[in-house]
Amino acid sequence: DTAVSQTPKYLVTQMGNDKSIKCEQNLGHDTMYWYKQDSKKFLKIMFSYNNKELIINETVPNRFSPKSPDKAHLNLHINSLELGDSAVYFCASSQDLGITEAFFGQGTRLTVV
Amino acid sequence: RKEVEQDPGPFNVPEGATVAFNCTYSNSASQSFFWYRQDCRKEPKLLMSVYSSGNEDGRFTAQLNRASQYISLLIRDSKLSDSATYLCVVNSYSGAGSYQLTFGKGTKLSVIP
Repeated sequence: DTAVSQTPKYLVTQMGNDKSIKCEQNLGHDTMYWYKQDSKKFLKIMFSYNNKELIINETVPNRFSPKSPDKAHLNLHINSLELGDSAVYFCASSQDLGITEAFFGQGTRLTVV
Repeated sequence: RKEVEQDPGPFNVPEGATVAFNCTYSNSASQSFFWYRQDCRKEPKLLMSVYSSGNEDGRFTAQLNRASQYISLLIRDSKLSDSATYLCVVNSYSGAGSYQLTFGKGTKLSVIP
């Protein structure tokens, strides 16, 4: 039974398209995150939400818009995709905003062509 | 200066060898520390937390030196299954009652038969 699940696992799309990645956690956690891992394998936080409320919004283009309909879901919508958006996007969750372990989804490998 | 720095490797070691990874962090107010493991094309998973007193989990020993802002991971009797990228992770206060995990770029380990 997957704790943090995200879909799709692979996404290949053309420049200029709009796409969404969905994430759900069944751990009962309050906090969810989106991370981006680029081609150099560097894992960098994009957003964090706590109980559906945006907490962290790193320097991310406003083409990226997270949406949290409830605390178990955090979706990521990307408008006008660019080549540089190609990366692996990981959703994660933690019990709360404090000093706790993060559990990651399997990742979505986005390729923009 | 990068927030969390690691030697990227790769470390190529024979089975049974002992290998040590080092990590330094720049934020002296960091609260907690972890080692995560990431297998190729997989999500990061917590390997172990790191405590000031040092802690051991089987063949793995983690150490923290707050004064030097230095974290280490020692793997004894390396197994083929230890081949992965090891991520040094620091949790620091980021305001608004929340903490943020900052990842190092990871150290790649290959254990050779």
